[in-house]
Amino acid sequence: KQEVTQIPAALSVPEGENLVLNCSFTDSAIYNLQWFRQDPGKGLTSLLLIQSSQREQTSGRLNASLDKSSGRSTLYIAASQPGDSATYLCAVANYGNNRLAFGKGNQVVVIP
Amino acid sequence: DAGITQSPRHKVTETGTPVTLRCHQTENHRYMYWYRQDPGHGLRLIHYSYGVKDTDKGEVSDGYSVSRSKTEDFLLTLESATSSQTSVYFCAIRPNQGTGPKQMNTEAFFGQGTRLTVV
Repeated sequence: KQEVTQIPAALSVPEGENLVLNCSFTDSAIYNLQWFRQDPGKGLTSLLLIQSSQREQTSGRLNASLDKSSGRSTLYIAASQPGDSATYLCAVANYGNNRLAFGKGNQVVVIP
Repeated sequence: DAGITQSPRHKVTETGTPVTLRCHQTENHRYMYWYRQDPGHGLRLIHYSYGVKDTDKGEVSDGYSVSRSKTEDFLLTLESATSSQTSVYFCAIRPNQGTGPKQMNTEAFFGQGTRLTVV
């Protein structure tokens, strides 16, 4: 069974600092890995999708890397802003079935 | 939002009553999923569907049933609601792309959620 872990569970950073969020998974047989953002009381918004054959994906201030062999992904958010305060979720699509396995999230607070 | 609508958005119901949540999509996607989200547990898969009348269980399927009689609607039914089913329920879709392994090479999109309280 795929286990997805996100560390740290919660963090606070001052505005302008770079954010580094970590995701690890136990089974490297994946199709892809997806990062989501969730604001309180809201649904999940897709941020980035990394295919298993890719090493990284970038969108604006966001960059996600994937090291499939070691079962790790990192989401970098450059020059953090108060509007980046949210919970960030990592999910992997497991090879051999049609499911997404989620971590419990990184809860981020950016302090103005 | 990839054309996903969940209804109702909020519901309070009594223990022992049946409840049906609806997920509606407008873009003919093959894969649809129901998750529940609870503090300390994250998102857990209840059931999913890979086509009309094709469904399968997820990791927390006990006490839930699903139906998909047409492509656009995926219904989740709590046959006899219990307090442990108080949760936020999310529907997700995965757009189609090719066949075989390529089917999974697309982003998953989520609905806005249904907050269900069982009293």
